[in-house]
Amino acid sequence: ILNVEQSPQSLHVQEGDSTNFTCSFPSSNFYALHWYRWETAKSPEALFVMTLNGDEKKKGRISATLNTKEGYSYLYIKGSQPEDSATYLCAHWVGGTSYGKLTFGQGTILTVHP
Amino acid sequence: SQTIHQWPATLVQPVGSPLSLECTVEGTSNPNLYWYRQAAGRGLQLLFYSVGIGQISSEVPQNLSASRPQDRQFILSSKKLLLSDSGFYLCAWTRPATGELFFGEGSRLTVL
Repeated sequence: ILNVEQSPQSLHVQEGDSTNFTCSFPSSNFYALHWYRWETAKSPEALFVMTLNGDEKKKGRISATLNTKEGYSYLYIKGSQPEDSATYLCAHWVGGTSYGKLTFGQGTILTVHP
Repeated sequence: SQTIHQWPATLVQPVGSPLSLECTVEGTSNPNLYWYRQAAGRGLQLLFYSVGIGQISSEVPQNLSASRPQDRQFILSSKKLLLSDSGFYLCAWTRPATGELFFGEGSRLTVL
């Protein structure tokens, strides 16, 4: 994998459903993997910054896992709510310096129907 | 606390006209600053980043340029806009310890 790839591109679920998305990234020269949530008419906001293989992060009903050896991360949302509707972006941080660059995936657009 | 602002929020410009988008950060010193663009149907693309005054790195060849005249000011410019410059532009700064990006409100540019 040369770029950051996310799947699916879009997802429609019903309120209360649990869902998950995938982010694939180059496993070489890994430094960090970020997840952002981008709501309509707002700016992207960071959900998680993950650096270690096997990392698991949780924030409320949202959690993420990281596998740096195989180059993937999963984002899980438990009991989706309409306010979870947003575009979820993952980004791969290359380089170990403070001015490393983030390469973003295309995003997964989540729509939660009441 | 740190804040980031960019303006204008919306811009409609004819092809061939100049562009200036401005971004300022408050509450931090010597931030790393970034300009990203989201074109229609695409992900966020890094255009420029800066680690200090007058230091600009370009990621994508294009007719855009960036400048950092002051520590907390980052400007995106063009002398002559192209149709392909249309998109949503985001300025951001990073917290060095984590690399987490903090984004401005964004500027939507439509080139006609």
